[in-house]
Amino acid sequence: NAGVTQTPKFQVLKTGQSMTLQCAQDMNHEYMSWYRQDPGMGLRLIHYSVGAGITDQGEVPNGYNVSRSTTEDFPLRLLSAAPSQTSVYFCASRRQGAVDTQYFGPGTRLTVL
Amino acid sequence: DAKTTQPPSMDCAEGRAANLPCNHSTISGNEYVYWYRQIHSQGPQYIIHGLKNNETNEMASLIITEDRKSSTLILPHATLRDTAVYYCIVRGYNTNAGKSTFGDGTTLTVKP
Repeated sequence: NAGVTQTPKFQVLKTGQSMTLQCAQDMNHEYMSWYRQDPGMGLRLIHYSVGAGITDQGEVPNGYNVSRSTTEDFPLRLLSAAPSQTSVYFCASRRQGAVDTQYFGPGTRLTVL
Repeated sequence: DAKTTQPPSMDCAEGRAANLPCNHSTISGNEYVYWYRQIHSQGPQYIIHGLKNNETNEMASLIITEDRKSSTLILPHATLRDTAVYYCIVRGYNTNAGKSTFGDGTTLTVKP
């Protein structure tokens, strides 16, 4: 199993540009989440999903969209990038009904100029 | 979910036990205590969890007080590779399914 994979590893955007961060897992996990981590800070939940077709907002959802058309994929879209969205983005997944043992991807480092 | 409080940073000598405290005074009866750690810039890694009994696995031990209002993660023989940010979170089993939030954690520095 590859676990949770994220692409790209690094990305630089200009203010106002849009892009999609990709996240995929091959463990057939129902739950998937997106977090952001600013320098020296903890993880903040952006959006999460409990299954295909079902998504919900986390702590800091503004400026981000998500969709979950398949169990495996959970892309995160930045609609109009802002410097405040410069951060490291982590995707995570876990099984439904399991204790909170999440598996995290390696992260995407995003810089918005 | 119950809120947790952790010290922002701690130091530990290599080879000694690292004891990381977590306060969760508002924990309710069906909520578990979980610990994760994040080494450098990697994604967080699950360490251990418990409800009310002490737990031990190959990575660490978790001691939960009898009133469950606080807990301690113990790394019995800390190594330099244990330098990381440690997160304590409290959640009910499958409560708010899928919504798992983290705080700022404790930065543990293991020194030679």
